[in-house]
Amino acid sequence: QMQLQESGPGLVKPSETLSLTCTISGGSISSRSYHWGWIRQSPGKGLEWIANFYFGGSTYYNPSLKSRVIVSVDTSKSQFSLKLSSVTAADTALYYCAKTNTATFDLWGQGTLVTVSS
Amino acid sequence: DIQMTQSPSSLSASVGDRVIITCRASQDISNSLAWYQQKPGKAPKLLLSTASRLESGVSSRFSGSGSGTDYILTISSLQPEDFATYYCQQYYSTPPWTFGQGTKVETK
Repeated sequence: QMQLQESGPGLVKPSETLSLTCTISGGSISSRSYHWGWIRQSPGKGLEWIANFYFGGSTYYNPSLKSRVIVSVDTSKSQFSLKLSSVTAADTALYYCAKTNTATFDLWGQGTLVTVSS
Repeated sequence: DIQMTQSPSSLSASVGDRVIITCRASQDISNSLAWYQQKPGKAPKLLLSTASRLESGVSSRFSGSGSGTDYILTISSLQPEDFATYYCQQYYSTPPWTFGQGTKVETK
């Protein structure tokens, strides 16, 4: 059974880069049947879609974050990653990675809390 | 961006009640709508997609309907495990995909 697990620092300083990794187990990250995404959740903004990565195809970013976000993949480790630069307190949130069919999210990681604070 | 507005923000109900949650999009989204359930401390769970298609393993007491800009999630007979927060999400055309603000179903 496929599972997703987020990992990364729980505390990031303002203006620095947030880096998270999603590790996939029980399935192939490079299968063209699967696609992958990042979503975050904060009390102030609710659920916010960040990016979708379609293996062998395109990557889509939320325009509100696009200038600061990079999604990458490491197939050898069955991982995909999120980097969000120039963070502020507004980026404090619970970050989820998820499997997506096209644009709905049918399998989620447990989430990882990232706090932006000095 | 397409804005999604859910109502109510919260509701109180009893086991066995019929519960209706609505989601309104700021433009026609042509049934490109999903519903999620989230319990405290857990990730959201996909319940329905394309407005009315039940995901595998989801109870048939959940149903979805609607068209254009207005959509409804119905729980036919609320069960104890259904107390949770529910979110709609649109995925019409090009990104960004957006979510509603959530509806919390609480016990009366």
